[in-house]
Amino acid sequence: EVQLVESGRDLVQPGGSLRLSCAASGFTFSNFWMTWVRQAPGKGLEWVANIKGDGTETYYVDSVKGRFTISRDNAKNSLILQMNSLRAEDTAVYFCARVATVKGGGWFDAWGQGALVTVSS
Amino acid sequence: EVVMTQSPATLSVSPGERATLSCRASQSITGNLAWYQQKPGQAPRLLIYNASTRATAIPARFSGSGSGTEFTLTISSLQSEDFAVYYCQQYNNWPPLTFGGGTKVEIK
Repeated sequence: EVQLVESGRDLVQPGGSLRLSCAASGFTFSNFWMTWVRQAPGKGLEWVANIKGDGTETYYVDSVKGRFTISRDNAKNSLILQMNSLRAEDTAVYFCARVATVKGGGWFDAWGQGALVTVSS
Repeated sequence: EVVMTQSPATLSVSPGERATLSCRASQSITGNLAWYQQKPGQAPRLLIYNASTRATAIPARFSGSGSGTEFTLTISSLQSEDFAVYYCQQYNNWPPLTFGGGTKVEIK
C-alpha cells in the first residue's frame, strides 16, 4: 500500500524558516516525480513544487521561487520542503503527493494527510 | 499560465440525482485534465485522469468528458459519500500545474 506521511507542522514567525518532511513507503520512491501542494485555510489547492525521481530537476510556482527548496533523499524514501523567508500568505496545509506520470507534469495519484504550517507573529 | 475556472461554485443536489460539474481552461489543454474529490479534513483523492479515465477503485457513477478547453465531471446518482468539494487540475502546460477553484456539492 502506498503511504505518504508528512511531518514538521509548526507555528513560525514571519521571516522564519521551517522544514517539512514526507516519508514514503509502499512503492519504489526513486522512480517517481514527487510534488508539494498547499491549501490555505478555507481555500482551494495550489501546486507548490515538483522534483524528478533522481532529484535532478525541480520546478516551483512563482510565489515561492527563491524562498522554498524541494529536495529528496532516495536512500531514506524522504521528500523535503525547506521553507525560508516565510510570509503570512504561506499559511496552509501542505500535502506531499506522488506524480503518476513519468513526465513531471501529471496527475497526483497518492497523497499524504497534510501538515499545517502557520505563519504568524 | 493556464487558468482553470470551475462552475458552479456550489451545487445543491438531492441524493440519487445527477450532478454535472464544469471546468474550463483558459487555453487548450487537449485531454490533460484530472479531477479530485476532497472531503473536510482529508487529503484530495484522485477520481479521473486524462479527462475520462477513472482512477483505481473509483465507482462507475463518476465519469469525465471533454477536451480542449471544456470539461465535465458527472456523478450519475449521488450517494451520501459523494457530498464533497471537487477540483480539476491541468497538466498540459507547466509549470505551473494549476487547479480550478473547486465546486462544492452539497445536499439539497
